[in-house]
Amino acid sequence: KNEVEQSPQNLTAQEGEFITINCSYSVGISALHWLQQHPGGGIVSLFMLSSGKKKHGRLIATINIQEKHSSLHITASHPRDSAVYICAVRSVGNEKLTFGTGTRLTIIP
Amino acid sequence: NAGVTQTPKFRVLKTGQSMTLLCAQDMNHEYMYWYRQDPGMGLRLIHYSVGEGTTAKGEVPDGYNVSRLKKQNFLLGLESAAPSQTSVYFCASSPGLSGGALAYEQYFGPGTRLTVT
Repeated sequence: KNEVEQSPQNLTAQEGEFITINCSYSVGISALHWLQQHPGGGIVSLFMLSSGKKKHGRLIATINIQEKHSSLHITASHPRDSAVYICAVRSVGNEKLTFGTGTRLTIIP
Repeated sequence: NAGVTQTPKFRVLKTGQSMTLLCAQDMNHEYMYWYRQDPGMGLRLIHYSVGEGTTAKGEVPDGYNVSRLKKQNFLLGLESAAPSQTSVYFCASSPGLSGGALAYEQYFGPGTRLTVT
């Protein structure tokens, strides 16, 4: 079993829909990261969180430490949100990240 | 600031050839990482460095060597390339402990697509 599991692997939705991507992990963590990889390949960090909830524009990330689960939500989705969203965790006492395999999101106009 | 840059962007090697990938960052970050990304798999850590002159093995270090002679540069070497090393390679950097809450925020380079035939 991978340390970090994402679901779904692929998601296609209509423009305007509310999107949820899930991440479950199996180890104790210091922080969880959400990253976005654009079709051109570049990777950018969206959120780094260790508790509660963070919001940036239309993106919201939540984490439940007890359940070892995080969700990334996108409100009012837009075709430019089409990308691969990657969850990664940093376990306690570690400088390294362990990555999920990503969720490929496609938003249709 | 240029952020994190990688050279080259693309490279084709024959089996047995050697090459060095260069990662440079201008953010004065302490930590630097080399990852590879393969279809259907998450990013996997090859080697990393927590400061100038230090390196450590990651999840998949075999067949690769690294050096961090200057704080801003992190080099990844392939001594004898194999087809299994065909991949997209990403470099990343993080501020390190002096960055406080952002110590481990990752900043990625644009990637290097390497094909070994």
